[in-house]
Amino acid sequence: AQKVTQAQTEISVVEKEDVTLDCVYETRDTTYYLFWYKQPPSGELVFLIRRNSFDEQNEISGRYSWNFQKSTSSFNFTITASQVVDSAVYFCALSEFSKGAQKLVFGQGTRLTINP
Amino acid sequence: EAEVAQSPRYKITEKSQAVAFWCDPISGHATLYWYRQILGQGPELLVQFQDESVVDDSQLPKDRFSAERLKGVDSTLKIQPAELGDSAMYLCASSLEPGLAADSQTQYFGPGTRLLVL
Repeated sequence: AQKVTQAQTEISVVEKEDVTLDCVYETRDTTYYLFWYKQPPSGELVFLIRRNSFDEQNEISGRYSWNFQKSTSSFNFTITASQVVDSAVYFCALSEFSKGAQKLVFGQGTRLTINP
Repeated sequence: EAEVAQSPRYKITEKSQAVAFWCDPISGHATLYWYRQILGQGPELLVQFQDESVVDDSQLPKDRFSAERLKGVDSTLKIQPAELGDSAMYLCASSLEPGLAADSQTQYFGPGTRLLVL
């Protein structure tokens, strides 16, 4: 079965520091999608990025960057020059196809606190 | 910007009572999902609809939970009777009909309903 591991339960850094959130996944599928979501205190899960298994190109969006390495089954997320507004719980997720349906398997989440 | 709507945002109930949550997906999204998120954990899928049909409810505790999407648009999740262990965040998400389009794989979430069972 699919599994997503976010080994870092909590991370706390000072504003403007760079921080990397780790994500390791397990799957037997050859085609799959990986996602990162942000969950601020309000509770809504905000979609950040989607990556398919055939695209190992790293992606940068402003202060956010993602490093996908199929060889190590990792999909890590880096925030450069962190800001207080980045404080949230971040979830990595893997799409699983079963019974003709697609569902997301989430990791346990990493609580990120950016201190001023 | 289109959003998934959920109500209520918060619900406090006593055990053995019935509760219901409502979700209105993004317009045009054929697939609707209900997830349960226990504090400190990631969301777990309860039920998935394709239009009005259930495609996966293997994790739905069917003795007390029910879900419907009668007209293939909005959906209701019901718990009867509620138990203390049902206290959690209930999240609704929607996506385009599964297909080749990359964005059909992306699920967009609503604000959730926080349930507290006393």
